[in-house]
Amino acid sequence: QKEVEQNSGPLSVPEGAIASLNCTYSDRVSQSFFWYRQYSGKSPELIMSIYSNGDKEDGRFTAQLNKASQYVSLLIRDSQPSDSATYLCAVPSGNTPLVFGKGTRLSVIA
Amino acid sequence: NAGVTQTPKFQVLKTGQSMTLQCAQDMNHNSMYWYRQDPGMGLRLIYYSASEGTTDKGEVPNGYNVSRLNKREFSLRLESAAPSQTSVYFCASSEGPGGYNEQFFGPGTRLTVL
Repeated sequence: QKEVEQNSGPLSVPEGAIASLNCTYSDRVSQSFFWYRQYSGKSPELIMSIYSNGDKEDGRFTAQLNKASQYVSLLIRDSQPSDSATYLCAVPSGNTPLVFGKGTRLSVIA
Repeated sequence: NAGVTQTPKFQVLKTGQSMTLQCAQDMNHNSMYWYRQDPGMGLRLIYYSASEGTTDKGEVPNGYNVSRLNKREFSLRLESAAPSQTSVYFCASSEGPGGYNEQFFGPGTRLTVL
């Protein structure tokens, strides 16, 4: 089983700081990468997708992909208490449409 | 648009009982999925349907069956529930089965098996 690894956290950052979330994956042929946000007791929602090496920015969120290192990250600038959630990294792998990491719990302290 | 809907929202079963979890989507998506989420285990794929008329096993299919009733509906059946099946179950859908397609999730069903 191909794997997607994330630090479970919790990652605590002060309000206004940059939160950096990391993910590594084992399937070298993966071509697409997703970040989902999940609030406690709710369902996951997609916040970023990235397909090419480099950075992709969307508002306060930046996804960074390095296929050679098999590493994808999510940066959240100007973190807000409302960003407190679990962030899930997901990668297609083999015959499995998406393999999810176990998630990193982020806590933004006001 | 309701997106992806799931019923029921909560369910308590006794060991050995059976039940069917229902999922429907109104986005005209071709692909649908069933996941379970357990504390510390992340989301794990149970079964998926790449298109109407097809179903495939995911990572953890044992103890479950699925039916793709039509393009909109995809049900998950527990024939003889076990305490190990206590979990939150999410249904999801996407335009197509490939890895470039965003998956949209339903609100989840919280199942407890006693």
